[in-house]
Amino acid sequence: ETGVTQSPTHLIKTRGQQVTLRCSSQSGHNTVSWYQQALGQGPQFIFQYYREEENGRGNFPPRFSGLQFPNYSSELNVNALELDDSALYLCASGRGPNQPQHFGDGTRLSIL
Amino acid sequence: AQSVTQLDSQVPVFEEAPVELRCNYSSSVSVYLFWYVQYPNQGLQLLLKYLSGSTLVESINGFEAEFNKSQTSFHLRKPSVHISDTAEYFCAVSGGNAGNMLTFGGGTRLMVKP
Repeated sequence: ETGVTQSPTHLIKTRGQQVTLRCSSQSGHNTVSWYQQALGQGPQFIFQYYREEENGRGNFPPRFSGLQFPNYSSELNVNALELDDSALYLCASGRGPNQPQHFGDGTRLSIL
Repeated sequence: AQSVTQLDSQVPVFEEAPVELRCNYSSSVSVYLFWYVQYPNQGLQLLLKYLSGSTLVESINGFEAEFNKSQTSFHLRKPSVHISDTAEYFCAVSGGNAGNMLTFGGGTRLMVKP
């Protein structure tokens, strides 16, 4: 069974640019959640998608947006990048909104 | 609103010694509780979870955690640690449903010394 995979593993951008991060959910999973983990901190919830609809959102500005596709893979888009957006971005998938989530290895985003 | 407090940012311990990583939470609804482990340059791995039933839950690699509702705690314990247990450990809570948004603590770095 293939686990949660994220791409790319590392990314370097400059302030003001836009970025798209991708996540393939684990086989049989239909929910995808995205988290931001700043250096030395615990992950913070960005949003969750369930059956292609947003199913909850954390305290992040609208320039953080997402999509879930019919195959349950997902994208995280961030516009107008700021230095504070530098972090590890984690994707997690689950078998449903009431099932535990399983994480990928993340995308490390550096903003110069 | 939910919050999680991990009382120790770092826990140094010698190999084969017992260890306890502390976690307290606050929530206005029924909760589901999790411990995740993060090795360097990796994502989070689910170590164990409390969803319902027995308040003592165990993982396959010797860790256990006990849900204490009256003290709002979910401390993680292992009777004898190995060098390979060196990692960052995160306690997390979700409310309403086990797959809902997770609220994480700040993490505890377990450092096992030979």
